[in-house]
Amino acid sequence: AQTVTQSQPEMSVQEAETVTLSCTYDTSENNYYLFWYKQPPSRQMILVIRQEAYKQQNATENRFSVNFQKAAKSFSLKISDSQLGDTAMYFCAFMIPNTGNQFYFGTGTSLTVIP
Amino acid sequence: EAGVTQFPSHSVIEKGQTVTLRCDPISGHDNLYWYRRVMGKEIKFLLHFVKESKQDESGMPNNRFLAERTGGTYSTLKVQPAELEDSGVYFCASSQDRPWVPGYTFGSGTRLTVV
Repeated sequence: AQTVTQSQPEMSVQEAETVTLSCTYDTSENNYYLFWYKQPPSRQMILVIRQEAYKQQNATENRFSVNFQKAAKSFSLKISDSQLGDTAMYFCAFMIPNTGNQFYFGTGTSLTVIP
Repeated sequence: EAGVTQFPSHSVIEKGQTVTLRCDPISGHDNLYWYRRVMGKEIKFLLHFVKESKQDESGMPNNRFLAERTGGTYSTLKVQPAELEDSGVYFCASSQDRPWVPGYTFGSGTRLTVV
């Protein structure tokens, strides 16, 4: 079975500080893609960052970076210099290409950035 | 480029009534997906269209749910009759052939409340 676990339902961080959201997943596949999506209140879900499982180098997108540990099946998201606009629900997910192309999502982490 | 549009954004209906959700994908995206998030739980896959054909409907909960995509453009998801456990946020997404490269584009979701 394909599962994603986000063990932090809610988190908060002071503006300009750094926060790490945890995510673990389970799959027997070797080739897959990992994602973090962000959904601000009442707005559409948007892609934050993506990682190919065959790449050892951790992905980085501006203030967002991941710590990908394939053996441990861990894919945490670090947000540096947190901004008020980072307040959102964050979903961790993975996809196995060419097997339906569906996402497997976690339950989400609600992040609040405090001014 | 217009994004994925979902109507309505919110719907409150009584148990036993019928509700129809609509999704307009990005023009030219052959792949259209429906997902659902029940409060506090993970976002779960419902089904996948390729153009007007159902590629995978393994996530549909039961036969009270009917999805269509006439002409391979917009899609509707009808719930008839609605039950209390159908409450949640219904997301639509669309993608090109290789969705794991840019990922999906999601809509803002329809929040359905069955009372």
